[in-house]
Amino acid sequence: NAGVTQTPKFQVLKTGQSMTLQCAQDMNHNSMYWYRQDPGMGLRLIYYSASEGTTDKGEVPNGYNVSRLNKREFSLRLESAAPSQTSVYFCASKTGDQPQHFGDGTRLSIL
Amino acid sequence: AQRVTQPEKLLSVFKGAPVELKCNYSYSGSPELFWYVQYSRQRLQLLLRHISRESIKGFTADLNKGETSFHLKKPFAQEEDSAMYYCALLINSWGKLQFGAGTQVVVTP
Repeated sequence: NAGVTQTPKFQVLKTGQSMTLQCAQDMNHNSMYWYRQDPGMGLRLIYYSASEGTTDKGEVPNGYNVSRLNKREFSLRLESAAPSQTSVYFCASKTGDQPQHFGDGTRLSIL
Repeated sequence: AQRVTQPEKLLSVFKGAPVELKCNYSYSGSPELFWYVQYSRQRLQLLLRHISRESIKGFTADLNKGETSFHLKKPFAQEEDSAMYYCALLINSWGKLQFGAGTQVVVTP
């Protein structure tokens, strides 16, 4: 049982390039989330999807778009990467009143 | 507005000593709070949630609504407890979490 799987694990981009981070869960969870983790700031919610077919902005959505492709997959897209988006990105999922399960993260560097 | 404050960025303790990580929250509703742990370069894992009142890996946390706190405690720290710890507050029915900035714990022998 893989849980929450994120790809890629590492990526280096140049400013202005686009990129899609992939997230898939095999736990039949309804809700999925994208966070970014920055030193001294904890985890901040970028976007979330309460259920298949819905997405909502979190705390820091600017510069990002998301797609809830189906119940399993929730992707995060950077249309024009900026150095300020250098971060570690975590995907998470949950269902009901259970706590969130996290993926291993994607380390993204933008030069 | 909802807020989670972890005042200590770094906590350095000796093995066998007690450790307490502070977490204070601001929330108008009935709070549901969690502690997550992240070992070096690994995924976040749930350590505790206040409604379960469990003790995991020797850690406990009690919700104090009067002081709006949810401090994490362990009586005898172990080297394997070295990690980043995040306090988190559930802020809506869709599972949206507000995280604190995190406390890095370093346990030295």
